[in-house]
Parts: sequence; structure tokens; C-alpha cells
Amino acid sequence: GAVVSQHPSWVICKSGTSVKIECRSLDFQATTMFWYRQFPKQSLMLMATSNEGSKATYEQGVEKDKFLINHASLTLSTLTVTSAHPEDSSFYICSARGAGDYNEQFFGPGTRLTVL
Amino acid sequence: GQNIDQPTEMTATEGAIVQINCTYQTSGFNGLFWYQQHAGEAPTFLSYNVLDGLEEKGRFSSFLSRSKGYSYLLLKELQMKDSASYLCAVVDSNYQLIWGAGTKLIIKP
Repeated sequence: GAVVSQHPSWVICKSGTSVKIECRSLDFQATTMFWYRQFPKQSLMLMATSNEGSKATYEQGVEKDKFLINHASLTLSTLTVTSAHPEDSSFYICSARGAGDYNEQFFGPGTRLTVL
Repeated sequence: GQNIDQPTEMTATEGAIVQINCTYQTSGFNGLFWYQQHAGEAPTFLSYNVLDGLEEKGRFSSFLSRSKGYSYLLLKELQMKDSASYLCAVVDSNYQLIWGAGTKLIIKP
């Protein structure tokens, strides 16, 4: 149980285009979903936390107008990178947490974004 | 501020034992996770400690001392597939995960 999927697993796009990444909890209801970004040889950087049905909470330095997050249901959150530029190229990982007390986050497989 | 410290890189020999340390200073404590992350992949769960002591799970064990703000991950009978980054993460008082930078473990034959 506790499987999280992400789609697409990799994407290459031209500079200036927008890219949408989906994160789904397949067998549990995720009250909270997290979006991370990871640059090569660096640790995970939390971008934002989203609770179902409410606006996402963004970490300091993350542009909310550039990284649009929607968490419309208990099993789906989306991250849209708007007007992507080469510096946005990174590994984007989502995780989902259920309503239990264990606090564990279940990670999706990640999406590798390359902006040309 | 909140801070998680762990060594950047460690090297060990196949079949040996290695201990990866993690020290933390956070606003509150609601548990500590260890994750394994292979290059180009998402992290996978290894262990969760919220009470002091040692938790053993097969070849992997994790220890926690809340009074010292200290944890370690112990890997026994190392295999080449254990080469990965190991991430320490603490759940703070707001139930947010505070991540360490990770320890890259290199296993040599």
C-alpha cells in the first residue's frame, strides 16, 4: 500500500513553455501533499505544501506565480511550471501524507524536467 | 534556526559495517526518518524513530537519542547495491520534515 505515482517521469520542453506534473496517491487519501525540487548532488528542497481544497503554502524564495499548485482532490495534486527557463531544469518529486499520526511521507518516483 | 548535520560522503568496503551519524537542532521533535536515495530516483523509506533506542530491521538499524539530538543509521553486511545517498529528516513541532543534505555512501569491492 501507500503508492504515489507521478506523471510524466521525464519531460523536455522549450524555454517559455509551461509544464504540468501530476502526483497521485493510488491507494490512500492524501490530506497533504508536498512538492520538492532537487538539483544534482544536492538534498531535497521543499517548494510548497498543499492541503486538499486549500491554497498551497510556499517556502521562502519559491515564486507562487511561477510554480502553480492545485490540490483539488484527496488523491491528486498538480504542479505547473509556467514559462519554464533552463534554470528550472531539475528533478521534481512529490510526496503524500495521509491522515494518520505516523507522519511518514510517501514519495512519488520523481519527474526530471529539462528546459532547452 | 533549524539544522540537520550529517557527513557529506563516506566510503566503506563490501561486507563491512558502516555507521552514518545525524545531529539535529530543530524547533520541536516529532520523530526522525532515514531515507535511502539512489541517483536519479526518489527517496525510499528506511526507518522512523520517535523514542530513544535502537530499531533493528534486517541489515539496517537506526538509533535515536533525543536528549543529545543525535541519530545514526547502521548498515551491516554491506552490499554494492547499498551505494546511495542516505537522508536524515526530522519532523518538527509543525509536523514539517526538515531534511539533512544527505550522506553519499560509496561501497568498494
